[in-house]
Amino acid sequence: GNSVTQMEGPVTLSEEAFLTINCTYTATGYPSLFWYVQYPGEGLQLLLKATKADDKGSNKGFEATYRKETTSFHLEKGSVQVSDSAVYFCALDSGGGADGLTFGKGTHLIIQP
Amino acid sequence: NAGVMQNPRHLVRRRGQEARLRCSPVKGHSHVYWYRQLPEEGLKFMVYLQKENIIDESGMPKERFSAEFPKEGPSILRIQQVVRGDSAAYFCASSPHFGQGRTMSSYNEQFFGPGTRLTVL
Repeated sequence: GNSVTQMEGPVTLSEEAFLTINCTYTATGYPSLFWYVQYPGEGLQLLLKATKADDKGSNKGFEATYRKETTSFHLEKGSVQVSDSAVYFCALDSGGGADGLTFGKGTHLIIQP
Repeated sequence: NAGVMQNPRHLVRRRGQEARLRCSPVKGHSHVYWYRQLPEEGLKFMVYLQKENIIDESGMPKERFSAEFPKEGPSILRIQQVVRGDSAAYFCASSPHFGQGRTMSSYNEQFFGPGTRLTVL
């Protein structure tokens, strides 16, 4: 079956540090890959996505590249801000949406001023 | 341009009571998904519905849980005889249409609601 594995948190960084949150996946076919962000007390918001191999998703300074050869979709940001503190979820859709999205457990990111 | 709405945002029930969670999808969306998020866990898929049809309920517990998405009105997730282990955040998502086959680029972006946090005492 499908699965998503992402690095355990919490991840604590200082403001302006470089961020990497690792995500690897197992899936059949040609999944689409997503990063969602959840701020305290809120629902999930789509941060970025990539629908095929070698695509790069980007938004708000965050980037992730769909690497089929390593089955990875690592999230990166060059300079984090305190406002980036949230829980980040990597997810995949194996196609068609019939069985919903498969999520990783989430990585809690804490940015200190 | 309202997004996905869920109510109530917080729900407290005693063991044995019923919980009803409502989800109004984005206007024009005909597909609804329900997910459960247990503490310190990611979201787990429960059920996928179209109007008046359950398409996939493979993630739904076999007993006490049911879901519907009527022709008119919101989608309802119903939990009968709640137990403490049902305490979780329940998220609804909607999408506009079902992808046609499993091609490289077929996917439907899901838009998530703010969730209902259920606490069972």
